[in-house]
Amino acid sequence: DVQMTQSPSSLSASVGDRVTIACRASQTISNYLNWYQQKPGKAPKLLIYAASNLQSGVPSRFSGSGSGTDFTLTISNLQPEDFATYYCQQSYSSPDTFGQGTKLEI
Amino acid sequence: EVQLLESGGGLVQPGGSLRLSCAASGFTFSTFVMSWVRQAPGKGLEWVSGIRHSGDATYYADSVKGRFTISRDNSRNTLDLQMNSLRAEDTAVYYCAKHNGYDGLDYWGQGTLVTVSS
Repeated sequence: DVQMTQSPSSLSASVGDRVTIACRASQTISNYLNWYQQKPGKAPKLLIYAASNLQSGVPSRFSGSGSGTDFTLTISNLQPEDFATYYCQQSYSSPDTFGQGTKLEI
Repeated sequence: EVQLLESGGGLVQPGGSLRLSCAASGFTFSTFVMSWVRQAPGKGLEWVSGIRHSGDATYYADSVKGRFTISRDNSRNTLDLQMNSLRAEDTAVYYCAKHNGYDGLDYWGQGTLVTVSS
């Protein structure tokens, strides 16, 4: 199975900051990498699919990059509603695996 | 509007069985891959199982292989997860989710809680 490792596990930032979350796959996954945001008690929300494609309705301050084994999610100009937990997920090979999550805190 | 509505969760004893269902609406159900994803209390997301649009191929996480069975009824727009030989570690909120064609999960249900305990 492909193992996904996110870093950092938690991150403190302020409104207006720019933050980057990293995700590394244990083997190459091309660009089959998705990013999700989850708030407490809610279902996850797709932000980025295929490494760099912004899901419809997601603000442009979210961006994704990378291919192969190393990927990043960048959030520019942090807004209060962005404080949440973020997960990467590979969909290159079954089982589709998630990273352990990155909690973004104020 | 896309809607996914899970049902069937509840309290079950270890070794017992439970069947989850997901009613889909607002999209052409028969043309999309569907998955189940779970989240244990206070933990991260774990993909559980997936099924191709036609139902001719199914996929499972190692942790549930041989115990869980995913199925779909494209005539009724429903996705099911039959869970047998349940263990305490299967306790989680179970989400049904739709794939977007690029294998991102673009719509999720509200989740249904499964608690395995004596």
